[in-house]
Amino acid sequence: GDSVTQMEGPVTLSEEAFLTINCTYTATGYPSLFWYVQYPGEGLQLLLKATKADDKGSNKGFEATYRKETTSFHLEKGSVQVSDSAVYFCALRGVSSNTGKLIFGQGTTLQVKP
Amino acid sequence: EAEVAQSPRYKITEKSQAVAFWCDPISGHATLYWYRQILGQGPELLVQFQDESVVDDSQLPKDRFSAERLKGVDSTLKIQPAELGDSAMYLCASSFVAGFSTDTQYFGPGTRLTVL
Repeated sequence: GDSVTQMEGPVTLSEEAFLTINCTYTATGYPSLFWYVQYPGEGLQLLLKATKADDKGSNKGFEATYRKETTSFHLEKGSVQVSDSAVYFCALRGVSSNTGKLIFGQGTTLQVKP
Repeated sequence: EAEVAQSPRYKITEKSQAVAFWCDPISGHATLYWYRQILGQGPELLVQFQDESVVDDSQLPKDRFSAERLKGVDSTLKIQPAELGDSAMYLCASSFVAGFSTDTQYFGPGTRLTVL
């Protein structure tokens, strides 16, 4: 079945450092791919998405490119801030799913220190 | 900005008791989802509604969990009886229409359940 694998955390960075969180997926066809962010004690917020190969999603300085050849959707940010500290989830919605179900990775905790 | 509402935010109960969670989706959203998020893991779908109809409840433990969306608007998820392993965050999400590539799911703040 479809699945998502994220790099294990926590990832600890200093403010203004470059961020990469790896995400790879297994799915048939061309799923839609998402990054969600969860701040402590809150629900998930959509950060960005891409719906076809080579699409680049971007929002609030974060970017991710849908790479079909490597089945990846890595999250990047050029300069992180303390306020970016949160848990980041990579997710997919499979083409074989007519129900819209999202399949999530296990999450990666980001800690940014001043 | 419209939001998905959930209540209560926190619930502590003893095992074998009944608990219920409520969700009010964004107005106009036909599709409603309940996910369960165990600490340290990603959310997993429990049940999906399209209007008032269930379209996917394959992962819902039907011996103890039930969900309804009687008028196709708000929804209730119930656990009876609660077990220790049910301790988790229960997230509600809604979307305009399911299945389209541009469709986005919007999540509520969740209900944190602790079973003692």
